[in-house]
Amino acid sequence: DTGVSQDPRHKITKRGQNVTFRCDPISEHNRLYWYRQTLGQGPEFLTYFQNEAQLEKSRLLSDRFSAERPKGSFSTLEIQRTEQGDSAMYLCASSSRGRPSYGYTFGSGTRLTVV
Amino acid sequence: QQQVKQSPQSLIVQKGGISIINCAYENTAFDYFPWYQQFPGKGPALLIAIRPDVSEKKEGRFTISFNKSAKQFSLHIMDSQPGDSATYFCAASSTQGGSEKLVFGKGTKLTVNP
Repeated sequence: DTGVSQDPRHKITKRGQNVTFRCDPISEHNRLYWYRQTLGQGPEFLTYFQNEAQLEKSRLLSDRFSAERPKGSFSTLEIQRTEQGDSAMYLCASSSRGRPSYGYTFGSGTRLTVV
Repeated sequence: QQQVKQSPQSLIVQKGGISIINCAYENTAFDYFPWYQQFPGKGPALLIAIRPDVSEKKEGRFTISFNKSAKQFSLHIMDSQPGDSATYFCAASSTQGGSEKLVFGKGTKLTVNP
């Protein structure tokens, strides 16, 4: 399967714990995006990488959130001191060229439940 | 502030009917308007997209109509099939300023009855 892979698919954590998600983009894609989707809503942009450089961050990405793409390949999204409001689907997407007009490929997401 | 407003929230059509989903935007800098299809447990998948220099784009049973002056665009699904049952999202982005983010609507859950 050469699509975007996300791990884990589901994560249940207690409030206050730290969680980390992983995204493996399509291998030749140099752009990687993180979005968050809550129930009944469309995806909301969190951040974007071109190779290893984080070029854009949303105001939604509070100080408790950090994303990395250390070698320009896979990416991790960490949430520290999780809150119940962090419960959502976290989606990763990748693209081979600039601009969304070239088409994102989304992964199936990591569903986070904070109890 | 929601930048892309989508309606209806849910839609039920009979097999063979036409499904119509509408979106309106506020930011005149938007210049790319895609539609995504999402099945339960999956990420969104690009369905069809349009730029504001054309008023209509058709791919198979799917058509986007675009009205630049009204800042509205819509998705038409002709001959709707039960396999089209999914959530559809309109989105928009701007190539100005270097941003590469998509702004999504809230989605429309389409159910096509056999």
